[in-house]
Amino acid sequence: KQEVTQIPAALSVPEGENLVLNCSFTDSAIYNLQWFRQDPGKGLTSLLLIQSSQREQTSGRLNASLDKSSGRSTLYIAASQPGDSATYLCAVAGSGGSNYKLTFGKGTLLTVNP
Amino acid sequence: DGGITQSPKYLFRKEGQNVTLSCEQNLNHDAMYWYRQDPGQGLRLIYYSQIVNDFQKGDIAEGYSVSREKKESFPLTVTSAQKNPTAFYLCASSIEREQFFGPGTRLTVL
Repeated sequence: KQEVTQIPAALSVPEGENLVLNCSFTDSAIYNLQWFRQDPGKGLTSLLLIQSSQREQTSGRLNASLDKSSGRSTLYIAASQPGDSATYLCAVAGSGGSNYKLTFGKGTLLTVNP
Repeated sequence: DGGITQSPKYLFRKEGQNVTLSCEQNLNHDAMYWYRQDPGQGLRLIYYSQIVNDFQKGDIAEGYSVSREKKESFPLTVTSAQKNPTAFYLCASSIEREQFFGPGTRLTVL
């Protein structure tokens, strides 16, 4: 059974700092990995999708990497801003017949202080 | 304006009542999903549907039911058999295995 772990559970940084969020998964047979952002009481916003054959994806100040063999992904946020404060969730889609289902980590709560 | 809508935003249920949560999408996605989110537990899959008139149980389907009569709609019914229904419910749809989420419905049992 796939398990996804996110470390740290919470992170507080001053504005302008570069930061890294970590995600690990137990079964390396994944179809893709997705990073989401969730604001309090809201739905999830898709940030980046990495296919299993890819090593990284970039969108603006965000960069996500994937090392499938070691079961790890990182989300790098450059020059953090108070508006980046949210919970960040990592989710993996299984390969084969289960690739429609996502397994989520519990998230990292990020606070960026002005 | 394309996207996923969920209604209502807040829902209150008395014990013993069935309630239905609405999920509609105009993205022309084939697959749709229902998740439940509880504090400290992350998202858990309730049901998913890959095509009209077909759906499969997820990890926590007991006490829930769904239908998929139209591509655009995937309503979730929380029955009285669900013993602890108070939670935040999220609907999603996907294309090429990338999932997109609606704004959620917060259900509270009184």
